[in-house]
Amino acid sequence: QQQVKQSPQSLIVQKGGISIINCAYENTAFDYFPWYQQFPGKGPALLIAIRPDVSEKKEGRFTISFNKSAKQFSLHIMDSQPGDSATYFCAARGFFGNEKLTFGTGTRLTIIP
Amino acid sequence: GAVVSQHPSWVICKSGTSVKIECRSLDFQATTMFWYRQFPKQSLMLMATSNEGSKATYEQGVEKDKFLINHASLTLSTLTVTSAHPEDSSFYICSAEPLPGTGRGVDNEQFFGPGTRLTVL
Repeated sequence: QQQVKQSPQSLIVQKGGISIINCAYENTAFDYFPWYQQFPGKGPALLIAIRPDVSEKKEGRFTISFNKSAKQFSLHIMDSQPGDSATYFCAARGFFGNEKLTFGTGTRLTIIP
Repeated sequence: GAVVSQHPSWVICKSGTSVKIECRSLDFQATTMFWYRQFPKQSLMLMATSNEGSKATYEQGVEKDKFLINHASLTLSTLTVTSAHPEDSSFYICSAEPLPGTGRGVDNEQFFGPGTRLTVL
């Protein structure tokens, strides 16, 4: 019940295209859904996060879509650029502070010219 | 965003020795820090939750006598890998969450350190 399933495992998108990564969860107690971006040899960095009281959140080229009834959420990267090439992790946790994050398995995104 | 540092950034040691990794929150205080390990091309695996002034909470399957965690202050947590062996070689990452009401971070955001690459020969 603690799992967060992420797909696809790897993704190749042409420059300027839309990159879409999907995640699904089972634990209905999860209340906070962040996405992290990680470059090789670096720690993950928060990209964007959403709470289940909204169905969509947009920050620049990055958008999270959230479907509470389906227990699914996705990351959309518009106008994908070579600099977006990285590994992306979705995660989930309960609302209260200091709760541990449950991570998805990661998606390696490659943007080709 | 808030800054978390780790030291060292990489370390190579001989099998059987102990290695200490430091995690510091540079511009905020955190009662809780988290330690993860990450193998190549895999996700982050939570090892333990480090609480300031109390014992760490270890995830199932993580040997607490092998991975010693000390959280001596609101800005510093240390992970000591005791009697390290080649299978302990990994990328170790910490994260920290600012104290509520400090104005750092939003939505209980956790800030991650840059990671420490441990290689045991």
